[in-house]
Amino acid sequence: EAGVTQFPSHSVIEKGQTVTLRCDPISGHDNLYWYRRVMGKEIKFLLHFVKESKQDESGMPNNRFLAERTGGTYSTLKVQPAELEDSGVYFCASSQDGGSVYGYTFGSGTRLTVV
Amino acid sequence: AQSVSQHNHHVILSEAASLELGCNYSYGGTVNLFWYVQYPGQHLQLLLKYFSGDPLVKGIKGFEAEFIKSKFSFNLRKPSVQWSDTAEYFCAVNKGSGTYKYIFGTGTRLKVLA
Repeated sequence: EAGVTQFPSHSVIEKGQTVTLRCDPISGHDNLYWYRRVMGKEIKFLLHFVKESKQDESGMPNNRFLAERTGGTYSTLKVQPAELEDSGVYFCASSQDGGSVYGYTFGSGTRLTVV
Repeated sequence: AQSVSQHNHHVILSEAASLELGCNYSYGGTVNLFWYVQYPGQHLQLLLKYFSGDPLVKGIKGFEAEFIKSKFSFNLRKPSVQWSDTAEYFCAVNKGSGTYKYIFGTGTRLKVLA
């Protein structure tokens, strides 16, 4: 089966610009997650979708981040306007059961650099 | 707040050496525990998981981990590492029913010298 696909793999933008990250989960996985890793630190939860609904967005840093999941398929994460501290690797993952039994399938991540 | 500690940030071993990576978590309730690995240039992959039963779990590529509830630990082990085990290893905890988010440790970079 195809894995979780993230696009772009790298993005370099200037402070104040807007960036949109995209994630295509495994087909049939209702659960989709966004995580972020700032350099040298732990991977931190951002939010969790079940189909098109936001189940938990407690990890979203602030209102400059907007996540959507249109029709319960792919998801986008928009950062507007980007700040320097937004730099990091953004991971998307999907699961069929919520992740507690089968674990997640991760994408390769998007490395975002804000300069 | 719940947290996961990985004590070793960088580990360098020679091939055939034994490996143990520490992982401790700070949540007192029921947990599910995971080890993920990220090989250079690849995505995070599940190595092994524990959610109930035998506290000694075996994963892929000869890895195993032991859940010691009294110590809040879930250490990863491999008796004899190979050069291809060079990667970054992440311990993660999920609080079980009712929540699906993981709390990750900071990761351990393992370099195996040929």
